[in-house]
Amino acid sequence: NAGVTQTPKFRVLKTGQSMTLLCAQDMNHEYMYWYRQDPGMGLRLIHYSVGEGTTAKGEVPDGYNVSRLKKQNFLLGLESAAPSQTSVYFCASRRGRELFFGEGSRLTVL
Amino acid sequence: AQKVTQAQTEISVVEKEDVTLDCVYETRDTTYYLFWYKQPPSGELVFLIRRNSFDEQNEISGRYSWNFQKSTSSFNFTITASQVVDSAVYFCALSGRRITITEKLVFGKGTKLTVNP
Repeated sequence: NAGVTQTPKFRVLKTGQSMTLLCAQDMNHEYMYWYRQDPGMGLRLIHYSVGEGTTAKGEVPDGYNVSRLKKQNFLLGLESAAPSQTSVYFCASRRGRELFFGEGSRLTVL
Repeated sequence: AQKVTQAQTEISVVEKEDVTLDCVYETRDTTYYLFWYKQPPSGELVFLIRRNSFDEQNEISGRYSWNFQKSTSSFNFTITASQVVDSAVYFCALSGRRITITEKLVFGKGTKLTVNP
């Protein structure tokens, strides 16, 4: 039982490059979320999904895109990375009121 | 709008001291849920507790206890006889009543606790 798995765990990008973070959950949860964590800012919601084929914007969606083509996967894309997107990214899935988090993906944009 | 405030950015204590982490929340919902999460240096987020707004009974789990007071909109977390392994960032979070497409968990900015030997 892997729970919520994020790949990659670490990545360094140059400004303007693109990349995709993958979140996979094996708990058959409908709700999935992408957060970013920055020092002194706590966790801020980027995008979320309430089911396969449905996504919605959170607090800080600009510069990111998401897709939920399969129920178990929630992808977060950066089309043109910027240094302001240097952060730790957490994916989560939800059962009832409880969030299950992945281990985080540390992204550095130079 | 929902908001969670953790006024203490960093706290440093010596092992075996008791420490309380404050959490104050704002919501217009009459039914809501409050959470505490722990983030140790390794980075993962660990769920500690969930409390709904109808249950103001304090909860104790080992050295951890939580004090929920609706009158002051607070959900404080106390660690008794702290240990070095308690060193982590602790997040308080709030969830509203409705589980709808707009449902989301609002986090405070976290309190970094350092327990020194």
